[in-house]
Amino acid sequence: AQSVTQLDSQVPVFEEAPVELRCNYSSSVSVYLFWYVQYPNQGLQLLLKYLSGSTLVESINGFEAEFNKSQTSFHLRKPSVHISDTAEYFCAVSLTGGYQKVTFGTGTKLQVIP
Amino acid sequence: SAVISQKPSRDICQRGTSLTIQCQVDSQVTMMFWYRQQPGQSLTLIATANQGSEATYESGFVIDKFPISRPNLTFSTLTVSNMSPEDSSIYLCSVVEGNQPQHFGDGTRLSIL
Repeated sequence: AQSVTQLDSQVPVFEEAPVELRCNYSSSVSVYLFWYVQYPNQGLQLLLKYLSGSTLVESINGFEAEFNKSQTSFHLRKPSVHISDTAEYFCAVSLTGGYQKVTFGTGTKLQVIP
Repeated sequence: SAVISQKPSRDICQRGTSLTIQCQVDSQVTMMFWYRQQPGQSLTLIATANQGSEATYESGFVIDKFPISRPNLTFSTLTVSNMSPEDSSIYLCSVVEGNQPQHFGDGTRLSIL
């Protein structure tokens, strides 16, 4: 079975500073990888996904993540954060090929400090 | 993406009572899912609800505690039965359209006194 590890439960960062949220996965077969964001008092929104092709994927609000198969990682990065990026971020993994169960990490709370 | 509406958005309930959460989707979807997010924790899949068949429950979740209905391709309900304070959580429904990733509703925030 696949699993996801988010090493940092909370990440405080000053506004306009860069940030990296770490995600490592474990699976013996090919996987799909996702980052979801949960703003306060809201549900989960898909931020970006890796299904195949280019290992660098980007979101519309400046986040990017790189799939690294050798390191089994899918870290999320943003070069300059804004106050509005304050939220909880969940890394998730599923097996490939049709619908497969999605396994979520424990989440990382990003706190952007003015 | 499909628009998902969950009702109620939040509720405070007495222990021993039951609450039914509704999930309405603005398009027909085959696969719907119910998740629980306990305070400070990640999401845990409760069950998969496909129209025309019984819900499939994950380990640790049983139909008597979390009965689910899926009467059509746009609607599902999850009932949390005989509630205790340990059931205080956010309950989320999600859907899958085609080969797209899961899409979530805003959740129902449930507190049990």
